[in-house]
Amino acid sequence: AQSVTQLGSHVSVSEGALVLLRCNYSSSVPPYLFWYVQYPNQGLQLLLKYTSAATLVKGINGFEAEFKKSETSFHLTKPSAHMSDAAEYFCAVSSNFGNEKLTFGTGTRLTIIP
Amino acid sequence: GAGVSQSPSNKVTEKGKDVELRCDPISGHTALYWYRQSLGQGLEFLIYFQGNSAPDKSGLPSDRFSAERTGGSVSTLTIQRTQQEDSAVYLCASSLAWATSGTYEQYFGPGTRLTVT
Repeated sequence: AQSVTQLGSHVSVSEGALVLLRCNYSSSVPPYLFWYVQYPNQGLQLLLKYTSAATLVKGINGFEAEFKKSETSFHLTKPSAHMSDAAEYFCAVSSNFGNEKLTFGTGTRLTIIP
Repeated sequence: GAGVSQSPSNKVTEKGKDVELRCDPISGHTALYWYRQSLGQGLEFLIYFQGNSAPDKSGLPSDRFSAERTGGSVSTLTIQRTQQEDSAVYLCASSLAWATSGTYEQYFGPGTRLTVT
């Protein structure tokens, strides 16, 4: 069985400050890991994904994440927050067996303080 | 190009009625997924189609829920005798076959918000 845990259901940062959203995973097989963003009343948009290539993954909108096997973590970061980053962020895991369902974390709502 | 589309965008129904939710995947995507997003349960997997067959329907919460896919394209999620706990946003996603793309990325539609009164 696979699972992800997102620490912090709500995170607030000041505009221009570092964004750090935490995700820890549990998987009995090498995982594929994803971060998705959801803006109000919209579907999910893929920010970035880890599929066993480089451990530091760069995504859209200046976000990146680092896969750390020893810590079973895949935290999402952005050096400087922008007002448009306010949204809900979901970490997800799947197995590496090809087309598989995603198992999502509970989400972190990011608020940007002007 | 066109993304995943879902209809209706909003549906209000009375308890006990049946509802059908539709998903049009991205053209050429052979894999299709249904998820449910609710306040109490977060984002949950419901069912996965590869072509017209469903190798994984483990997330369907009860026998009131069913889904089909025809022509390897459009999918319909049907909920019979709706209950208030079925109120949620139902999300559809599609992806290319692994062997085709060598990657794994699901593209999500905007969802159908279902309210059962």
